[in-house]
Formats: sequence, structure tokens, C-alpha cells
Amino acid sequence: KAGVTQTPRYLIKTRGQQVTLSCSPISGHRSVSWYQQTPGQGLQFLFEYFSETQRNKGNFPGRFSGRQFSNSRSEMNVSTLELGDSALYLCASSLFTSYEQYFGPGTRLTVT
Amino acid sequence: TQLLEQSPQFLSIQEGENLTVYCNSSSVFSSLQWYRQEPGEGPVLLVTVVTGGEVKKLKRLTFQFGDARKDSSLHITAAQPGDTGLYLCAGRDQAGTALIFGKGTTLSVSS
Repeated sequence: KAGVTQTPRYLIKTRGQQVTLSCSPISGHRSVSWYQQTPGQGLQFLFEYFSETQRNKGNFPGRFSGRQFSNSRSEMNVSTLELGDSALYLCASSLFTSYEQYFGPGTRLTVT
Repeated sequence: TQLLEQSPQFLSIQEGENLTVYCNSSSVFSSLQWYRQEPGEGPVLLVTVVTGGEVKKLKRLTFQFGDARKDSSLHITAAQPGDTGLYLCAGRDQAGTALIFGKGTTLSVSS
């Protein structure tokens, strides 16, 4: 069974731009969660989607948004990028909310 | 706010040594998970502990959940270079939805 895939793997953007990251969950998994990982703050929860509905949201500004499609694939968007948004963005999928999560390899975003 | 504190932050040892990594909180968690993350990859789930006092063994790795479900430890026996990585503990928040992660212990095992 294929694992969680994330595209692109690496991305360089300029401050003020916006970016969209994509995540394809493990086949059959209906829950997708997004995390931001930085050396200073570690792994922080962004939001979770289940059946196209946002179920939970972390403590991030409204510039961070996401959505989930009917095939469970998910995208997250960051608008008006700031230097501090440079991070590894991880997507994790699970069968249902609160079940064990399986992480993708992440998208490394660098904001210059 | 529920927090998970991991110690030590960094650990550098020789092959064959034993080590213990700690994950502590002032809050009670319904379960705790341990992950290992290698550079350029996402975290990989090692184990989930659910019951207070529970001990789980995975080959040379032993995981323990504290009786009060506020802390956990990971013990590695006879460490190998392949054990090198970032070890993260994580617990479900009180709503049972989001995973709260500790900042991790970076382990380096040299041969």
C-alpha cells in the first residue's frame, strides 16, 4: 500500500507571495492532518480534515488555510508569506479522527 | 495548555551503549505515542501506550507509560548507528483530536 505523498518536496517563495501544498493520503484513509515543524517550535498542529470538513484547528493565523476533496486529498494554503513561515510542512493521514497517524515526507518551504 | 517536555534535547553515544529518553508533562494524556524521524523524512510511529504503567518492547526498544499517565520513557539497549534520529513523543489533547508533540531528542550513535 502506497504511503502518504506530498508535493512538492521543496519550495522557495518570496515574502508576500502565497503557496499551496498538496497531500495524498494512504488509500482508504479519510482523515488528514497538517503540521508545521521548525527547529525552535518543533512540530505544531495546524488543522485536521475529515470527510471534507475541518474538524480541528491549531493556533495559527488565518493566513493558513486548508481544504479536503471528496477523494480525501488535501491542500493547505499560506497567503502573504512571512520569513517565519519557513518550515517543514508535514501531512499525516489516518483511517478516522484520533486513529494512528502516518506521516508523509513533508514539504520544505523556504521564504526569502 | 498541555505541554510535553522531552529530555535530554541532544544525546551522542557510542555503539553498544544503553540510553533512556524521557517525556514529561503536568497533564494527563489518554495515550502517548513515540515516533522516530530521520533527516528529510516524516516521523514514523514506533509505539502507542495507552494504559498507566504499561511497558511495551520493540526489539531493543522498551517504552514505558507512567502510572499517572503524565510521563513516558524510551530505553534503547545496545544502541546501533541505525538508531540515529530524532525521537518524538506525542499525546492526544484533551478533546482527543490534535496530537501534541514534544520538541524531541536528537540521538546520534557513532560506530
